[in-house]
Amino acid sequence: AQSVAQPEDQVNVAEGNPLTVKCTYSVSGNPYLFWYVQYPNRGLQFLLKYITGDNLVKGSYGFEAEFNKSQTSFHLKKPSALVSDSALYFCAVRDQAGTALIFGKGTTLSVSS
Amino acid sequence: GAVVSQHPSWVICKSGTSVKIECRSLDFQATTMFWYRQFPKQSLMLMATSNEGSKATYEQGVEKDKFLINHASLTLSTLTVTSAHPEDSSFYICSARDSFNEKLFFGSGTQLSVL
Repeated sequence: AQSVAQPEDQVNVAEGNPLTVKCTYSVSGNPYLFWYVQYPNRGLQFLLKYITGDNLVKGSYGFEAEFNKSQTSFHLKKPSALVSDSALYFCAVRDQAGTALIFGKGTTLSVSS
Repeated sequence: GAVVSQHPSWVICKSGTSVKIECRSLDFQATTMFWYRQFPKQSLMLMATSNEGSKATYEQGVEKDKFLINHASLTLSTLTVTSAHPEDSSFYICSARDSFNEKLFFGSGTQLSVL
């Protein structure tokens, strides 16, 4: 069975500092990995995905994520955080094209000015 | 880009009534749509997989008679919460899978409040 773990409920960083939101996964085959962001009372906004290819994936709003197969991780990163990045971030996985995404519990990112 | 329209964005209803939520793929065909439920500050839990022209597949613990899903066309799936109770209050999000390229797109969600 597929699963996703986001070990941190909340991550606090100061504006301008780098940020990392952690994600580890478990799938039976090759993983399809995603990051989404959710603002209060809103739907999900796609940030980036890894299907195959380069381990470092660049996405929207300056975010990037690094796929690490040996550690089964897909951590979300940004070199310089903005206050406007404060939101709820979800890591998600599926084991093949066409199946539903399985989401992690989410990590609240709080960026202080 | 591909758009999924989910309507209504929020609804308040009385206990015992039924509420229908629509999920439409506006510029692509979606033979499969997924319905998720999200409690405050929690993750999205997959409720069911909706397949055009056939019965939905429900996840364990989800009452199929409570949450009726209809996927009558390639662009529309509906979720009806029947005889709603306060514990059904939640944020419901749909996701549509583009039949051509298998990409997933999410609706903007529906906040249901049952009084």
